[in-house]
Amino acid sequence: AQSVTQPDIHITVSEGASLELRCNYSYGATPYLFWYVQSPGQGLQLLLKYFSGDTLVQGIKGFEAEFKRSQSSFNLRKPSVHWSDAAEYFCVLYNFNKFYFGSGTKLNVKP
Amino acid sequence: SQTIHQWPATLVQPVGSPLSLECTVEGTSNPNLYWYRQAAGRGLQLLFYSVGIGQISSEVPQNLSASRPQDRQFILSSKKLLLSDSGFYLCAWSLGTGPTVYEQYFGPGTRLTVT
Repeated sequence: AQSVTQPDIHITVSEGASLELRCNYSYGATPYLFWYVQSPGQGLQLLLKYFSGDTLVQGIKGFEAEFKRSQSSFNLRKPSVHWSDAAEYFCVLYNFNKFYFGSGTKLNVKP
Repeated sequence: SQTIHQWPATLVQPVGSPLSLECTVEGTSNPNLYWYRQAAGRGLQLLFYSVGIGQISSEVPQNLSASRPQDRQFILSSKKLLLSDSGFYLCAWSLGTGPTVYEQYFGPGTRLTVT
């Protein structure tokens, strides 16, 4: 069965510091993977996606993610965090018309 | 461009009352449509999805139902609300083909409080 795990519930980083949010998936074939961001009380916005090909994908707002099949991971990174990045981030796997969401990681940014 | 609308934005309903949440999509045809619930401090739970008019798949047994009377309209309903139905309800759409295939676009959500 497919599933997505985000092991970090909360992460706090200082503004300007680098960021890495972890995501592990369970799926038998090559997965379709996404990262979404949700600001408080809002809907979700797509940051980036991976279907196949280059394992390092670039997204909006300066985010990138790297697909590592050997580790079943799809971690999200940003070299320098801005205060406006404070939000909740979801890793998502797609399979046959359904999307499987991780439980989310809340990012706090210290000034 | 495509837009997705949800209403109402906020709703407070007593236990046992009926519910109707509406979602409409503009600017696209034959989208896949989804209803999610997000409980406080938790991730998104898929409730229903639809790949076409009148085609509804239910993911979680509950007292909620969904309908798709038109191509770009998706309705979430309940005959009698429970306290456990409180949460943030999100509607989303995606396409099964094209350059944006499988990308989901979310509405602004409805905050439902059952009292």
